[in-house]
Amino acid sequence: NAGVTQTPKFRILKIGQSMTLQCTQDMNHNYMYWYRQDPGMGLKLIYYSVGAGITDKGEVPNGYNVSRSTTEDFPLRLELAAPSQTSVYFCASQELNTEAFFGQGTRLTVV
Amino acid sequence: GESVGLHLPTLSVQEGDNSIINCAYSNSASDYFIWYKQESGKGPQFIIDIRSNMDKRQGQRVTVLLNKTVKHLSLQIAATQPGDSAVYFCAETALNDYKLSFGAGTTVTVRA
Repeated sequence: NAGVTQTPKFRILKIGQSMTLQCTQDMNHNYMYWYRQDPGMGLKLIYYSVGAGITDKGEVPNGYNVSRSTTEDFPLRLELAAPSQTSVYFCASQELNTEAFFGQGTRLTVV
Repeated sequence: GESVGLHLPTLSVQEGDNSIINCAYSNSASDYFIWYKQESGKGPQFIIDIRSNMDKRQGQRVTVLLNKTVKHLSLQIAATQPGDSAVYFCAETALNDYKLSFGAGTTVTVRA
C-alpha cells in the first residue's frame, strides 16, 4: 500500500514557467488536499477536494489551480511561477473524521 | 480567522526524559485534534488523535491531553529517544468538517 505519492520530489522553475505537481493516493479516500509549507511555518491549505469533480479554494489559492477527474489523482498546477511560490508542497488525503495521510512533499524553488 | 498556535517553537530534551509539547487553539467549535510528527525532508506523520468527548488518550509512549476549558492540547512523549527529534504539529478541526488547521510547530531536539 503506497499511500499518498507525490512527484516530482524537487524542482527548480524560472519565473513565469508553469508546472504540474502530481499527487495520487491508493486508499480510495474522498478528501484530498494541497498544502504549502514555508520555512519554520505550519501548513497552509491551498486547495482541497471532497470527491471526484469537486474542488474548492483553501486559505492561499492565488496562483494555483487544481482538478480532480478521478478519486485517486489530484494534480496542482502553477501557471506563472513566482518567487513567492518557492515552498515545500504537500498533498494529503483522508476520510471524514479520520487523520490525514501526507505525501513526502515536493520542494519547489522559483528563480 | 481562528487558527491553532503553539506555545514554544523549540524544545531541547535529554534522552530518556519525558517531553511535553503544548498547543493552544482558539476555535471553540473545534472538536477533533491531531498531533503530527514531521522529520526532516518528510511529510507529516500521524501520531495520535483525540476527540472532544475525551480529555486523555494514550498510545505507545505518547499521551495526548485535552483541556477544553482553556482550549489547550498537549503531547507527552515518555522516555524520549533520538528518533523523536522532529517538528511536532497540532492540528484541529470540527467533526464533519474536512479542513485541518495547523499551528507553526515545535521543533524537538533530543540530546544524547
